[in-house]
Amino acid sequence: DSGVTQTPKHLITATGQRVTLRCSPRSGDLSVYWYQQSLDQGLQFLIQYYNGEERAKGNILERFSAQQFPDLHSELNLSSLELGDSALYFCASSVTVNAEAFFGQGTRLTVV
Amino acid sequence: AQSVTQLGSHVSVSEGALVLLRCNYSSSVPPYLFWYVQYPNQGLQLLLKYTSAATLVKGINGFEAEFKKSETSFHLTKPSAHMSDAAEYFCAASKGGTSYGKLTFGQGTILTVHP
Repeated sequence: DSGVTQTPKHLITATGQRVTLRCSPRSGDLSVYWYQQSLDQGLQFLIQYYNGEERAKGNILERFSAQQFPDLHSELNLSSLELGDSALYFCASSVTVNAEAFFGQGTRLTVV
Repeated sequence: AQSVTQLGSHVSVSEGALVLLRCNYSSSVPPYLFWYVQYPNQGLQLLLKYTSAATLVKGINGFEAEFKKSETSFHLTKPSAHMSDAAEYFCAASKGGTSYGKLTFGQGTILTVHP
């Protein structure tokens, strides 16, 4: 157990809908990362937050957004969902921006 | 931009045989390099990492990897495969520093171990 908690573990929703994925980082970790793992694209970095502020952006679609709250948990919001958004979404956290990141077990999103 | 290439999407070995999973990186500056393992329905677990110290890195579960700058490689090895090693393995790179946790992953290699 890495100490990073992601909820829900599984999510099934219809095209066009909006969902929110939640991540609780390890205790004391200030940085949160979101990754997407899909059959087509593999594992891709989406976005990073540090102490509430966006730190780095990767291949994140405009339909997706994220934020990190004062209690340091993070949420990834996915809207106008398409079939191709079906993937495993991982959250990772690290103490600082220059430390090893620990991964949660992921949220499997299925869009039907 | 850096990239990571894993040669072979599937590798099959016999129990007790040598495991060799190949990874090459493309970067103008030698990056920080990592190997992660993913068991079915699990998250990513760090096996080992290279951070510009020793070129031969030992990790958990008997795995090790050697950083070879001249070959831009970071291959993962284990002398004797065990059934429990069956999983998907990912090589990853980062620029280090403040981008330490921002990882570029290879496509993954599924390791099958047969009796």
